[in-house]
Amino acid sequence: QVNLLQSRAALVKPGASVKLSCKASGYTFTDYYIHWVKQSHGKSLEWIGYINPNSGYTNYNEKFKSKATLTVDKSTNTAYMELSRLTSEDSATYYCTRGEAYWGQGTLVTVSS
Amino acid sequence: DVVMTQTPPSLSVAIGQSVSISCKSSQSLVYSDGKTYLHWLLQSSGRSPKRLIYQVSNLDSGVPDRFSGTGSQKDFTLKISRVEAKDLGVYYCAQTTHFPPTFGAGTKLELK
Repeated sequence: QVNLLQSRAALVKPGASVKLSCKASGYTFTDYYIHWVKQSHGKSLEWIGYINPNSGYTNYNEKFKSKATLTVDKSTNTAYMELSRLTSEDSATYYCTRGEAYWGQGTLVTVSS
Repeated sequence: DVVMTQTPPSLSVAIGQSVSISCKSSQSLVYSDGKTYLHWLLQSSGRSPKRLIYQVSNLDSGVPDRFSGTGSQKDFTLKISRVEAKDLGVYYCAQTTHFPPTFGAGTKLELK
């Protein structure tokens, strides 16, 4: 069965960066794009972007182009999202998804000094 | 970006009651291939969202037929018949026809 296992919660300082991971299993990793979605506390969902694990091609929501960088490691079936220059506005739960059908358990990022 | 407007923001229901949630988009969601990429997801408390319905009316595997989706172009509805306790949570509509994908603000289904 398809499973997306995300990294644990992170507490990071303002101005720092954080790299989240999403390990895929149960299917051929390179056959499907991996998407990332942001959910601020108590709020709705925002689509950040996707990566094609086969080619490394990425496509970002304009809002997140200077915030997020998506990469993959095909050897470990893992996708990554690095968030840079963090502020309190970046405090949220971040999900990796395989389309809208399969979701990871989410990683809570808290930005605080 | 396509704006997805969901109503109502919240619903209080009794077990066994039926409810409907509306989702309206700012643009038609019919893609160039003729398909409509409008989906419904449920996020139960403390959990990740789970897709229930894809492309307007197709139930995902394991989703009971108490759930149904209808609509076209810019106007869509999710109906839940005979609500059960496990149906409680926040329902989101989502469109993946246009770039970037966008979500409604959610409808919180609570027990009366």
